[in-house]
Amino acid sequence: AQSVTQLGSHVSVSEGALVLLRCNYSSSVPPYLFWYVQYPNQGLQLLLKYTTGATLVKGINGFEAEFKKSETSFHLTKPSAHMSDAAEYFCAVTPGGTSYGKLTFGQGTILTVHP
Amino acid sequence: ETGVTQTPRHLVMGMTNKKSLKCEQHLGHNAMYWYKQSAKKPLELMFVYSLEERVENNSVPSRFSPECPNSSHLFLHLHTLQPEDSALYLCASSQALAGGSNEQFFGPGTRLTVL
Repeated sequence: AQSVTQLGSHVSVSEGALVLLRCNYSSSVPPYLFWYVQYPNQGLQLLLKYTTGATLVKGINGFEAEFKKSETSFHLTKPSAHMSDAAEYFCAVTPGGTSYGKLTFGQGTILTVHP
Repeated sequence: ETGVTQTPRHLVMGMTNKKSLKCEQHLGHNAMYWYKQSAKKPLELMFVYSLEERVENNSVPSRFSPECPNSSHLFLHLHTLQPEDSALYLCASSQALAGGSNEQFFGPGTRLTVL
């Protein structure tokens, strides 16, 4: 069984400030972890993913996330927010390995960026 | 067309109507998915198809009926829906079903309103 908890349904930052979106997961097997972004009236777009190897993962648009097994976390960060980052962000988990595993999503975090 | 397309983008229907949602992927993928995205709830996986065979039906009411005639097309047939079925319905595809690291590519969704 697996689950995802995103802490904070809304996060508001100023343009140029650090973005930190929190994600904690639970999984009975080593997980693969994903962050997706959804802009208004659009589908989900993959930002980055962790499967194996390096625990610091870099994605598109300057975002990165660090897999911390001891904390069961996969927080998303960006050093400097841009107005275009305003969107809803979803963390997701699936069982790692070769067998099929359902992608389980968190409830999402809406990021607002103020000028 | 590129990526995953969905039609219509918006649909309003009465509870006694019958309608269908269409999804087409132009990526050469072998697996396709239907998700439901309701306000304030995590994305819910509804159906999964691999090589035109249904591999998962996530306890979805029978008023939703999927069809996958080939690996590029996925339909969701709707009949006698309830107002609580109003949501954004997202289609996704991935190269293969097996393997937790496969990335799902999402369409823009169909915004469904049931009156």
